[in-house]
Amino acid sequence: GAVVSQHPSWVICKSGTSVKIECRSLDFQATTMFWYRQFPKQSLMLMATSNEGSKATYEQGVEKDKFLINHASLTLSTLTVTSAHPEDSSFYICSARRSSGASTDTQYFGPGTRLTVL
Amino acid sequence: EDKVVQSPLSLVVHEGDTVTLNCSYEVTNFRSLLWYKQEKKAPTFLFMLTSSGIEKKSGRLSSILDKKELFSILNITATQTGDSAVYLCAVWEYGNKLVFGAGTILRVKS
Repeated sequence: GAVVSQHPSWVICKSGTSVKIECRSLDFQATTMFWYRQFPKQSLMLMATSNEGSKATYEQGVEKDKFLINHASLTLSTLTVTSAHPEDSSFYICSARRSSGASTDTQYFGPGTRLTVL
Repeated sequence: EDKVVQSPLSLVVHEGDTVTLNCSYEVTNFRSLLWYKQEKKAPTFLFMLTSSGIEKKSGRLSSILDKKELFSILNITATQTGDSAVYLCAVWEYGNKLVFGAGTILRVKS
């Protein structure tokens, strides 16, 4: 199988605090992980692409100083929402690409993290 | 600008009906097209299509890609209430990026 986990599954925090979300590939190595956010009744929006051992590539309009991404190992990437505000409340989903190099590689999604900033 | 357009945006059918969901795309460096099903949490993978004209099938679900006309369809036969979900189409470009469509909301009534 290809299992991706996220922790926590939901978090409520006060405005101005920072929140860290972990994404792990449990049974495969992932050189590339992706972070998405999804607002209610909208599709997934790619925030950044995270490559193991290098800096993340952020999509246009995503503040890299606000959404810190670290991909320290082949099975773990973290997203830290710094100085969170209510408008950052969203569903954050990570995905991991199995790095077998085959053309059939696909992305597997974690279960998501629901962030609510009060 | 790369884009993926799904239709219809929403659909209500009765159990036992057959539905066809559509996905058209315009991307620069097409690699493959993926279908996902999203219920309350994150999307679950259904199909990945890379070659034109080859139908992929899993139970009551099937999908096919037309790379000349730049679209794909997802068929669900004998629908069940458990098929109610948002169905997402995404195109995978070379360079790793997935571009998602807005999704089709399917509701199957008993």
